[in-house]
Amino acid sequence: GAGVSQSPRYKVAKRGQDVALRCDPISGHVSLFWYQQALGQGPEFLTYFQNEAQLDKSGLPSDRFFAERPEGSVSTLKIQRTQQEDSAVYLCASSSMTGSNYGYTFGSGTRLTVV
Amino acid sequence: DQQVKQNSPSLSVQEGRISILNCDYTNSMFDYFLWYKKYPAEGPTFLISISSIKDKNEDGRFTVFLNKSAKHLSLHIVPSQPGDSAVYFCAASGPNSGYALNFGKGTSLLVTP
Repeated sequence: GAGVSQSPRYKVAKRGQDVALRCDPISGHVSLFWYQQALGQGPEFLTYFQNEAQLDKSGLPSDRFFAERPEGSVSTLKIQRTQQEDSAVYLCASSSMTGSNYGYTFGSGTRLTVV
Repeated sequence: DQQVKQNSPSLSVQEGRISILNCDYTNSMFDYFLWYKKYPAEGPTFLISISSIKDKNEDGRFTVFLNKSAKHLSLHIVPSQPGDSAVYFCAASGPNSGYALNFGKGTSLLVTP
């Protein structure tokens, strides 16, 4: 597709449930980023992939968060045993360049609500 | 701690006038700065960027100014148009921030006809 596609757009999870959020980056893009945006805040970095390699996972808030990009294209962000503080919009972005110093393209996000 | 700060949550400007959005940062190692624009229910869209070796970058109606000594940057939009109404995020990166962009909390701009 022409842009970064994320699914589902909305997800409601009961506390303790596991969720999986999908990101389809722009075809051929080397770099893929995940960000978390809480209400009223700016996006906060979670993790970065260059092709299939996860080069930076310093922003993942706990070991309940796990991301993968096994074939260097589609990525999945998994959150285990969701908690209320995980409620946020999860944004995926991709870029044809490596690193962060470029205006990469964001998807529309997945809004996760944990009840 | 918030390393990029946008102290004005909102701004209202008349159509045709100049909009000035401000951003301050605390990390002196930041050397690249970006502005993103976000409409409701959409992801942020890259607008304009500036490297620390410059103090100004211009792209059409949008100009970003960087004052390194004050650790301050601003985005000027002139003339402002109703379609510019959106949330604007300032972001920064540097050699010690890994692959992360550090975002501010955003400023909501409303351009009134």
